Amino acid sequence: AQSVTQLDSQVPVFEEAPVELRCNYSSSVSVYLFWYVQYPNQGLQLLLKYLSGSTLVESINGFEAEFNKSQTSFHLRKPSVHISDTAEYFCAVSDKRTGGSYIPTFGRGTSLIVHP
Amino acid sequence: DTAVSQTPKYLVTQMGNDKSIKCEQNLGHDTMYWYKQDSKKFLKIMFSYNNKELIINETVPNRFSPKSPDKAHLNLHINSLELGDSAVYFCASSHRQGRNEQFFGPGTRLTVL
Repeated sequence: AQSVTQLDSQVPVFEEAPVELRCNYSSSVSVYLFWYVQYPNQGLQLLLKYLSGSTLVESINGFEAEFNKSQTSFHLRKPSVHISDTAEYFCAVSDKRTGGSYIPTFGRGTSLIVHP
Repeated sequence: DTAVSQTPKYLVTQMGNDKSIKCEQNLGHDTMYWYKQDSKKFLKIMFSYNNKELIINETVPNRFSPKSPDKAHLNLHINSLELGDSAVYFCASSHRQGRNEQFFGPGTRLTVL
């Protein structure tokens, strides 16, 4: 079965420092990769996605993630964080299962806490 | 216009009751989902419908029954509510099943007393 591992449950960081949130997955077949962000008391919003093409993908607010097929990873990075980036971040992986359906699996989430 | 909407936003009820949560999407997507998020933020997929057909039915008690009257709606009915059902339930939709991003509703916070 597909599994998605977010190694850090909580990442505290100071404002304007760089950050990396790690995500590893277990599937060896073709996958679709996503990062979602959840602000308090809200639903999840897409941050960025890898479907095909360039392995480096970027969001409009300065985040980027790189698909590394050999290491089965999709780590999220930002060179300089803001207080407003404080939120829960979820990595998700979709792969094809028996029967042909694509089923998304979510990691357990990483809480990014940005201190002033 | 809200892309994915859920009602109600909050639901407080007694053990043993039956309740429903409604979800609607106006994005024209072909796939809809229900997720349960527990107090530790863990997000677990419960059901998925593609073009009104059930395609994912994870290990969920049969007290939970989804119903999709059309492609734009996916409702969740829960019978005989238990304390452990307390959680936030999210509806989501996507195009092309899991091969594209999902759009999430605002969530329904269910509290069973």
